Amino acid sequence: EVHLAESGGGLVQPGRSLRLSCTASGFNFDDYAMHWVRQAPGKGLEWVSSISWNSGNIGYADSVKGRFTISRDNAKNAFYLQMNSLRVEDTAFYYCATEEGWGQGTLVTVSS
Amino acid sequence: SYELTQPPSVSVSPGQTARITCSGDSLPQQFVYWSQQKPGQAPVLIIKKDSERPSGIPERFSGSSSGTTVTLTISGVQAEDEADYYCQSADNSGTYWVFGGGTKLTVL
Repeated sequence: EVHLAESGGGLVQPGRSLRLSCTASGFNFDDYAMHWVRQAPGKGLEWVSSISWNSGNIGYADSVKGRFTISRDNAKNAFYLQMNSLRVEDTAFYYCATEEGWGQGTLVTVSS
Repeated sequence: SYELTQPPSVSVSPGQTARITCSGDSLPQQFVYWSQQKPGQAPVLIIKKDSERPSGIPERFSGSSSGTTVTLTISGVQAEDEADYYCQSADNSGTYWVFGGGTKLTVL
């Protein structure tokens, strides 16, 4: 069974940084692209960033380009989202996801 | 930018069939995935690669595609199926995910 677990969310002031982690189990992590998706309160799902199985192909939504960095460590079955220069509008639940399923999410709140 | 279009809401009575559509120009070239989200919960994948059901998903959920439109069909709708449903696909490069705006299914 696919299991994804996010960590690293919390309350942070505007302009500061946060690093999210996602650990995976129940599937062959090396074979899959991995994705970060967020959902602001009362809003729909918004794709944030993706990384291919070998990190050779990476993409970002325009709203986070230049501020967020995605990476992965296949030896640890984990991938990450480094979020810099956070803004109030980045406040959301952040989910890690693959073609096989979703994590439970971690809440990021950006507020002074 | 690439977009997927879903109806904002669909209403059905218990036992009836609900159909939720998702339209996008690149859908003939890319797989579509459907996720269900109940209030206060994380999304759950219910259909992958247009029509495959992950293990544990009831048979009443099915997916189909025709040209630039894909359809999620829920046969014999139950009260517990009331939720938001999102379609998801990728752009032509396969690197960028895109979501539909979501459809709220109401069971009358």
